[in-house]
Amino acid sequence: DIQMTQSPSSLSASVGDRVTITCRASQGISRYLNWYQKKLGKAPKLLIYAASSLQSGVPSRFSGSGSGTDFTLTISSLQPEDFATYYCQQTYSTMYTFGQGTKLEIK
Amino acid sequence: QVTLKESGPALVKPTQTLTLTCTFSGFSLNTSLMSVSWIRQPPGKALEWLARIDWDDDKFYSRSLKTRLTISKDTSKNQVVLTMTNMDAVDTAIYYCARTTAHCGGDCYYYLDPWGQGTLVSVSS
Repeated sequence: DIQMTQSPSSLSASVGDRVTITCRASQGISRYLNWYQKKLGKAPKLLIYAASSLQSGVPSRFSGSGSGTDFTLTISSLQPEDFATYYCQQTYSTMYTFGQGTKLEIK
Repeated sequence: QVTLKESGPALVKPTQTLTLTCTFSGFSLNTSLMSVSWIRQPPGKALEWLARIDWDDDKFYSRSLKTRLTISKDTSKNQVVLTMTNMDAVDTAIYYCARTTAHCGGDCYYYLDPWGQGTLVSVSS
């Protein structure tokens, strides 16, 4: 199975900060990488697909980059509603896998 | 508008079989590139992808759970059913279903969107 490793596991930041979360795949996955936002008690929400394509309706402060094994999710200016847990997911293999999550907390 | 909703028992006993139903609207599983995935999240833990069924009835399972899972679809009812055998306390989780589709340019990039609200399944005697 393709293992997805996110770093950091948790992160404290302030409103207005620029934040970057990384995701590394155990083998090359081209650009078959998605990012989701998960808030407590809510369903996960797709933010980015194909490594860098912004899902419709998602604010432009979210961006994704990378290819192969290394990927990043960047939030350019944190807003109060962005404090959540973020997951990467690969769809290169027919057995999809998620990263372990990055919890973004208010400093 | 695409919606999905999970249904099933809130409580199952150890060794029992869990049957969950995902009822969806706004898309058809007869359409090329459409699929439905099941995902779960144990309390305080990460998301775990479980299984997927495609429009052409191809089925894919998590390697670690493959022997316990069965996924099926009823396109006339717009439903996807997941069964998980031999339930244990470690299977306590919120179970989600999600539409799985793709954006195709040269390659087709699959993603899960939207997701259902999830259903909590507890395993206890």
